[in-house]
Amino acid sequence: EVLLVESGGGLVQPGGSLRLSCAASGFTFSSYAMGWVRQAPGKGLEWVSSIDGRGGSTYYADSVKGRFTISRDNSKNTLYLQMDSLRAEDTAVYTCAKLRSTSCYTWVDCWGQGTLVTFSS
Amino acid sequence: EIVMTQSPATLSVSPGEGATLSCRASQSVSSNLAWYQQKPGQVPRLLIYGASTRANGIPARFSGSGSGTEFTLTISSLQSEDFAVYYCQQYNSWPPGTFGQGTQVEIK
Repeated sequence: EVLLVESGGGLVQPGGSLRLSCAASGFTFSSYAMGWVRQAPGKGLEWVSSIDGRGGSTYYADSVKGRFTISRDNSKNTLYLQMDSLRAEDTAVYTCAKLRSTSCYTWVDCWGQGTLVTFSS
Repeated sequence: EIVMTQSPATLSVSPGEGATLSCRASQSVSSNLAWYQQKPGQVPRLLIYGASTRANGIPARFSGSGSGTEFTLTISSLQSEDFAVYYCQQYNSWPPGTFGQGTQVEIK
């Protein structure tokens, strides 16, 4: 069974940083591209970033480019999202997504349950 | 960045009736489009990929069509469990993964 478990969310101040992790199991992690999708309270899905199976190609939404960095450790079956210079509009549930192939140019076939990132005033 | 536009934002439908949801891409995405269903408090569920191929376990009342920039998700006869938000996603053009803003299908 494919399992994706996110961690690392929490309260952060504007301008702060957080590092999200996604522990994967139940499949050959290095054979699949992975991504992060976020959903602000009451809003729709927003694709954030994705990385191919080997970690050689990464993609970012314009809204996070230059502030967020996606990476993976295939030896640990773990996906990461380093979030810097955080803004109030980054408040959302961040969900780890497994893509259908090693390339990022494919659909999501499995989702984690998400981790919440919120801001303290 | 490619923009995906869904319409309508909200669709009110009576159980047993059909529903047609639209998704438009700002540039051609060929047939590289997926549809997802999301219910409150749940993660999205893949319905359609490749614009028209149903995912495993998806009932035949869901069908997808289109290519290029215009796509449609049709639900032939809405069941109570189909009332949800539906998202399209392109995975053809850089950057891959862009979602539409969603269409909420509500009970009329």
